[in-house]
Amino acid sequence: RKEVEQDPGPFNVPEGATVAFNCTYSNSASQSFFWYRQDCRKEPKLLMSVYSSGNEDGRFTAQLNRASQYISLLIRDSKLSDSATYLCVVNQAGTALIFGKGTTLSVSS
Amino acid sequence: EAGVAQSPRYKIIEKRQSVAFWCNPISGHATLYWYQQILGQGPKLLIQFQNNGVVDDSQLPKDRFSAERLKGVDSTLKIQPAKLEDSAVYLCASSLVPDGGGYTFGSGTRLTVV
Repeated sequence: RKEVEQDPGPFNVPEGATVAFNCTYSNSASQSFFWYRQDCRKEPKLLMSVYSSGNEDGRFTAQLNRASQYISLLIRDSKLSDSATYLCVVNQAGTALIFGKGTTLSVSS
Repeated sequence: EAGVAQSPRYKIIEKRQSVAFWCNPISGHATLYWYQQILGQGPKLLIQFQNNGVVDDSQLPKDRFSAERLKGVDSTLKIQPAKLEDSAVYLCASSLVPDGGGYTFGSGTRLTVV
């Protein structure tokens, strides 16, 4: 079983749509959780951290359910510029980030 | 603030040849990572350094891959001999501390083994 599992997609949505990505992780000792964004042929960049209480950054909302070992990312009012691969990321104290395979989003006009 | 520098950007080699990649992290970042990203996959950790010491190299194929971070600053990753399945993007990242999302990635080196 992979440490971080994501639906690879692709998710093809029209502009203005709401889209949700899900992720599960296998190691209950995981302590920190993130969503990274990776544009085509570019390096990954931090999109947002994920907290147990849930957190929001503009059109983006991240949720964490530690009991179910489940992380989600919701994007509202999708823009063309949101087209990218979204990587679910976890780590334990002192260790390196562990990345999922990524979910590809394509937003069309 | 200067970012993480990597070179070369692209490299094409034949199988069984050797290749080396270079990374210069952000100044003051004690932790340095090398990740391998195969097309369609997420980045996979190869090795993690804390200053010039190795913290985790459990996923580094040590029969052909080696890495060093002399003086705790820049780092090199070497593959010898290369195999077709080593074709990937090799990403270097650095952070002040291992925890958290404060990783900065370089642009990567895209390796093609033919």
